[in-house]
Amino acid sequence: GDSVTQMEGPVTLSEEAFLTINCTYTATGYPSLFWYVQYPGEGLQLLLKATKADDKGSNKGFEATYRKETTSFHLEKGSVQVSDSAVYFCALRDSGSARQLTFGSGTQLTVLP
Amino acid sequence: ETGVTQTPRHLVMGMTNKKSLKCEQHLGHNAMYWYKQSAKKPLELMFVYSLEERVENNSVPSRFSPECPNSSHLFLHLHTLQPEDSALYLCASSQDYGYGGNTIYFGEGSWLTVV
Repeated sequence: GDSVTQMEGPVTLSEEAFLTINCTYTATGYPSLFWYVQYPGEGLQLLLKATKADDKGSNKGFEATYRKETTSFHLEKGSVQVSDSAVYFCALRDSGSARQLTFGSGTQLTVLP
Repeated sequence: ETGVTQTPRHLVMGMTNKKSLKCEQHLGHNAMYWYKQSAKKPLELMFVYSLEERVENNSVPSRFSPECPNSSHLFLHLHTLQPEDSALYLCASSQDYGYGGNTIYFGEGSWLTVV
């Protein structure tokens, strides 16, 4: 079945540091890949997505590239801000029979001023 | 502003109460979802509706009863819950159910506490 593995947190960075959150996946079909963000006390918001290999999703300074050869979709940002403190979820949605979103366990990010 | 609105945002109920969570989407989507988010557990899909027909029920106890009267509204009726049902319940929608590239949009969630 489908699965998503994220690096375990929590991750604590200083403001303006470089961020990488690793995400790898297994899927039976040709999945679309997503990063969602959850700010404290709120629901999930779509951060970015990629629907095919080599696509790069980007939003708010965050980027992730769909790497089929390494089955990865790592999230990066060159300079984090305190306001980026949140939980980040990697997810996939397969094109095959499993049409629901499969989520990783989430990575808590705290950015210190 | 979110295109998926959930009410109430917070709910405290006793184990013998009956209450309902409401979700409304303003995106013109055909598929709606209920997810459960518990502390230290991955998000769990509970139910999926496509064009007002339930298409998935992931082994959810019968004390949770979904209702989808039209493609814009989704309810989760709650009765005789247990304390372990305390969680954040997230409603979501997508353009349709069958295409994996469609983004699933989430509401802000309803925080449920069972006492």
